[in-house]
Amino acid sequence: EAQVTQNPRYLITVTGKKLTVTCSQNMNHEYMSWYRQDPGLGLRQIYYSMNVEVTDKGDVPEGYKVSRKEKRNFPLILESPSPNQTSLYFCASSPHSVALTGELFFGEGSRLTVL
Amino acid sequence: GQSLEQPSEVTAVEGAIVQINCTYQTSGFYGLSWYQQHDGGAPTFLSYNGLDGLEETGRFSSFLSRSDSYGYLLLQELQMKDSASYFCAVRDQTGANNLFFGTGTRLTVIP
Repeated sequence: EAQVTQNPRYLITVTGKKLTVTCSQNMNHEYMSWYRQDPGLGLRQIYYSMNVEVTDKGDVPEGYKVSRKEKRNFPLILESPSPNQTSLYFCASSPHSVALTGELFFGEGSRLTVL
Repeated sequence: GQSLEQPSEVTAVEGAIVQINCTYQTSGFYGLSWYQQHDGGAPTFLSYNGLDGLEETGRFSSFLSRSDSYGYLLLQELQMKDSASYFCAVRDQTGANNLFFGTGTRLTVIP
């Protein structure tokens, strides 16, 4: 089954404790992206990747890191989480850049709480 | 930069038709997408308009007018399961590789 898989789905952590949210897709998609969703703010892009070893900042990259060492994986790293990073996070992928079809395939989301 | 405006909430009756509008401001424009998100779920793609006009997919249709910087999602024969949030998203010149999402419209379908 074609899918985007995120882990963990739920996490409660404390300020300053490094964490990684993994994202993997099995569709051989070139483009991958991370969004955060907060009430009243919609989905805001954190980082995106056009292909292996190619990453770039989105609209809200502060406090986050990403890497794209393999085509299928695009982990999101919070080096020193803070309470304002409490959010619902979505990973998404697309066969090429969204330039062609405007279509993204989303993972099920990871709800992160930073105390 | 980009900005998108859509109503925050819409309520409609089962079996009726509802239209969710989206106006945008972008520096350059490539296309408008629509996504559906049920509570607790992931956004799922509904449609994309790269050119002016109407795109129809079953009960859902999406319209775009580039000259008016405006689009809408039309849902016909509403069903209870259509209760969800609907997001418009633009692909524009500054972020041609990215989608910028609106804040969403929560649709409630009542019996």
